[in-house]
Amino acid sequence: NAGVTQTPKFQVLKTGQSMTLQCAQDMNHNSMYWYRQDPGMGLRLIYYSASEGTTDKGEVPNGYNVSRLNKREFSLRLESAAPSQTSVYFCASSISSGNTIYFGEGSWLTVV
Amino acid sequence: GIQVEQSPPDLILQEGANSTLRCNFSDSVNNLQWFHQNPWGQLINLFYIPSGTKQNGRLSATTVATERYSLLYISSSQTTDSGVYFCAVLRDDKIIFGKGTRLHILP
Repeated sequence: NAGVTQTPKFQVLKTGQSMTLQCAQDMNHNSMYWYRQDPGMGLRLIYYSASEGTTDKGEVPNGYNVSRLNKREFSLRLESAAPSQTSVYFCASSISSGNTIYFGEGSWLTVV
Repeated sequence: GIQVEQSPPDLILQEGANSTLRCNFSDSVNNLQWFHQNPWGQLINLFYIPSGTKQNGRLSATTVATERYSLLYISSSQTTDSGVYFCAVLRDDKIIFGKGTRLHILP
């Protein structure tokens, strides 16, 4: 019973490097989300996908791109990592945008 | 955009005490959820509560949508209740979180 799976769990990047965070859900959910969590800031929405084939900006989209590869998978890409992108990243999904959301376990990213 | 304010930001209680956490939001919302983040970072959904009152064991939640607030009640606190409690609101397909209440339950 995997739920929402994120990879990698930990990553260290150098400034300017690129990487992709992968997220997959096995609950047949339509909506998927990417959040970042920084100390004292709560969770801030980066991008979301209300349904397969659509993506939209959230509160803090700058420096990120996303791809809704299919119904199961929603990836987050950092094209040129910056130290300000050091954070914990959470992927989440829900059966539709108005329903209970379920989170992955998080990905700890450090940019040096 | 919509603002979500949680209070208090921090709360320290003795085991067995009761507590009330508050979530205010600045505009009408489609729904509201409460989450608990444990000390290991895992986020668990507690309640999906766009309006009314729900109870689950020692926890209960009430949302008064017309007055734009929600309350989370924790009774007879246990050390395992420690962590951060978040409320999150849905508006225009976006789920927006408050900054959370950090709860410490002392044995």
